[in-house]
Amino acid sequence: TQLLEQSPQFLSIQEGENLTVYCNSSSVFSSLQWYRQEPGEGPVLLVTVVTGGEVKKLKRLTFQFGDARKDSSLHITAAQTGDTGLYLCAGGWKGTALIFGKGTTLSVSS
Amino acid sequence: NAGVTQTPKFQVLKTGQSMTLQCAQDMNHEYMSWYRQDPGMGLRLIHYSVGAGITDQGEVPNGYNVSRSTTEDFPLRLLSAAPSQTSVYFCAGRQDRRTGELFFGEGSRLTVL
Repeated sequence: TQLLEQSPQFLSIQEGENLTVYCNSSSVFSSLQWYRQEPGEGPVLLVTVVTGGEVKKLKRLTFQFGDARKDSSLHITAAQTGDTGLYLCAGGWKGTALIFGKGTTLSVSS
Repeated sequence: NAGVTQTPKFQVLKTGQSMTLQCAQDMNHEYMSWYRQDPGMGLRLIHYSVGAGITDQGEVPNGYNVSRSTTEDFPLRLLSAAPSQTSVYFCAGRQDRRTGELFFGEGSRLTVL
């Protein structure tokens, strides 16, 4: 059973469109992280959300942490081709380890 | 400052062979971990370590061993390779054992025939 469920698994959109990616769990997390991975490279951290209800903005990306700290979302406004990649959410496990969801593969075409 | 360095980048094995994937870091990472990445499966945690001499199993530990004799090195050993272990392996670390950004190596692509 996947502790962190991400949806959708695949997303193919046109440049300029908006999109939202979801990360859900039945467990409570002290924090959640979002990473982005490009082909042939390791994931790179985008943001860490810590407080229930927290909203963080990173240029055109908006991250929310659910009030109950069981879910998070990533919203991209006016997607660009450079946003193409694999988006992964991650949360704490057994106190110290970090586990990941299956990821959302985003393809933005011009 | 090299960060997290993995070797080799590519490896082909025959079923039953053993090998070690090397991971070295120079960022004073207390926490280190190994993941495997398969299509549609995200990153799955194999083993992790919170300091020298301390290791623990992750989500998918079977068929793999790790050790952490020094803070800098965290090798992953495949004891008897199987085709199901064909994957891309990532080593990652962070300074704090409980929180913070995870820094990844470039990955090692392993094929088991």
